[in-house]
Amino acid sequence: DVKVTQSSRYLVKRTGEKVFLECVQDMDHENMFWYRQDPGLGLRLIYFSYDVKMKEKGDIPEGYSVSREKKERFSLILESASTNQTSMYLCASSPDGKRGYTFGSGTRLTVV
Amino acid sequence: EDQVTQSPEALRLQEGESSSLNCSYTVSGLRGLFWYRQDPGKGPEFLFTLYSAGEEKEKERLKATLTKKESFLHITAPKPEDSATYLCAVQAFGRGSTLGRLYFGRGTQLTVWP
Repeated sequence: DVKVTQSSRYLVKRTGEKVFLECVQDMDHENMFWYRQDPGLGLRLIYFSYDVKMKEKGDIPEGYSVSREKKERFSLILESASTNQTSMYLCASSPDGKRGYTFGSGTRLTVV
Repeated sequence: EDQVTQSPEALRLQEGESSSLNCSYTVSGLRGLFWYRQDPGKGPEFLFTLYSAGEEKEKERLKATLTKKESFLHITAPKPEDSATYLCAVQAFGRGSTLGRLYFGRGTQLTVWP
């Protein structure tokens, strides 16, 4: 089975800190995605990547950046964490443009 | 703009009481429709993919169906362990299609009580 591993289940960070969320997949998938999930708002796409060093903005990229230096790893960076970035962050990967995603287990980030 | 709407937002069923969840979509060209199950505090878990109107998929007590405008997730004789949030997502031709982007509904929170 494909595994998508997010490095932390829970994180607590202070306002203004630079935060790194890591995601690794083990099945050589081309596409990787970062979403945030908030009650009443559903899943919102932050950034996605279709190849190493390639990235595209999703619907809510403000305040975030990403890095994909290796195919298996896709990192989400909060440049200066703010309280409105408190959320559940979900990473996903997909082998191509025709099939669905495999999700990681999520990182619950709290910014205080 | 593409849109995925799920109803109801929440559903409470007694164990054994069958029902259906709805996912309606408006996309310019449907490549695939996906159903996921999400337990609290966890990532969504894949259930089904449907590609064309008339297609049906089954897994245990769950059956997914697809028409040109909507999909239903039928739950037959549910058990408490079926309690979860069920998410629907569509993948469209055209916009972002080569990247396989999914557009999600907000989900239906299902509670099955004994």
